[in-house]
Amino acid sequence: AQTVTQSQPEMSVQEAETVTLSCTYDTSESDYYLFWYKQPPSRQMILVIRQEAYKQQNATENRFSVNFQKAAKSFSLKISDSQLGDAAMYFCAYRSRYGGSQGNLIFGKGTKLSVKP
Amino acid sequence: EAQVTQNPRYLITVTGKKLTVTCSQNMNHEYMSWYRQDPGLGLRQIYYSMNVEVTDKGDVPEGYKVSRKEKRNFPLILESPSPNQTSLYFCASSLFGLMGSYNEQFFGPGTRLTVL
Repeated sequence: AQTVTQSQPEMSVQEAETVTLSCTYDTSESDYYLFWYKQPPSRQMILVIRQEAYKQQNATENRFSVNFQKAAKSFSLKISDSQLGDAAMYFCAYRSRYGGSQGNLIFGKGTKLSVKP
Repeated sequence: EAQVTQNPRYLITVTGKKLTVTCSQNMNHEYMSWYRQDPGLGLRQIYYSMNVEVTDKGDVPEGYKVSRKEKRNFPLILESPSPNQTSLYFCASSLFGLMGSYNEQFFGPGTRLTVL
């Protein structure tokens, strides 16, 4: 079974600075998706960024980028130029690309990010 | 507007009183799923459905039931709620397309359930 681990329950960053959230995962599959979701106080789940395991290039979305290390099974999220609106709970998630349960997301326990003005 | 809706958004109930949380999507998605979110545990899958009349257990199915009689609806049923089912519940849906294709999963707004 696949597992996702986020070892940082809480993190803090100064506004305009850069912060990196860590995520490791365990799987025997070779092809899969990895995601970072943001959950602000409104509780809505917002997809921040997606990475396909077969792609070597790290995904980027504006101020958000990932460092995907497939061999190490590591998938960290870097937030540049942090803004007050980035304060939220962040979840790392895994999804198989094939198989009958390919829709199922496996989540880490989350990292609560605070942004200091 | 394409969306996943859940009702109710908030519910306080008592132990043993049957309840249903509804989930509906208007995107003609085949795949639907229920998750529960608890502090320090992240989101865990309760049940999922790959199409009408096709449902399967997730990681934490005990104490829950689901049904999928129509493509757009996927209600979560708690026959005899207990305090350990106090949680934040999310419904999600996506297309279930060609094997290997990526289809974004859309989440509902969440239902905060308290069982006294």
